[in-house]
Amino acid sequence: GESVGLHLPTLSVQEGDNSIINCAYSNSASDYFIWYKQESGKGPQFIIDIRSNMDKRQGQRVTVLLNKTVKHLSLQIAATQPGDSAVYFCAETGAVSSYKLIFGSGTRLLVRP
Amino acid sequence: GAGVSQSPSNKVTEKGKDVELRCDPISGHTALYWYRQSLGQGLEFLIYFQGNSAPDKSGLPSDRFSAERTGGSVSTLTIQRTQQEDSAVYLCASRKGTGVLTEAFFGQGTRLTVV
Repeated sequence: GESVGLHLPTLSVQEGDNSIINCAYSNSASDYFIWYKQESGKGPQFIIDIRSNMDKRQGQRVTVLLNKTVKHLSLQIAATQPGDSAVYFCAETGAVSSYKLIFGSGTRLLVRP
Repeated sequence: GAGVSQSPSNKVTEKGKDVELRCDPISGHTALYWYRQSLGQGLEFLIYFQGNSAPDKSGLPSDRFSAERTGGSVSTLTIQRTQQEDSAVYLCASRKGTGVLTEAFFGQGTRLTVV
């Protein structure tokens, strides 16, 4: 299958600190990117998205950065809380010509109290 | 319903049996995706339906796997002659059609255990 992560990397942060989760995407033609959060036993949930004509987008406590030159995405979470503990996935997709949604390997975020 | 609904939530089957997993997408969403997630791992793309176009089956791991989408709505993923390595959570997602850059919405998944 495409883009399956093996043995998810883990990021451990102290409650209240900022978290940065990184993702490398594969297709230079992708023009829309999404970050998902997956809690144990649940399906992935949307966090924030960004289009390829942008390099930064902010939401509530979250910021996504896009570097198309090196095909890199990052998710920044400000003032990380225990409820942020989950697995985070980035996803990429094209526009009209290719609507397939491909996920990157995930990162497990652990928040220490 | 308001979200993507998958059934059953859990399925235990004997090796060699066939199973069918169902996905009810969000009403009006023309794109539907199936993924497989093994324990502690990422999302493996299986198949993608978009409107009346031929589905993208490029992620199906073997010919034991197939999927249908009837009437552009409900989808069924069928696994024939199940093997222990098929044990995983199968996730379905739906999304608005092409030309609209929006997120996909996921169901809670079906946990399949082959014994």
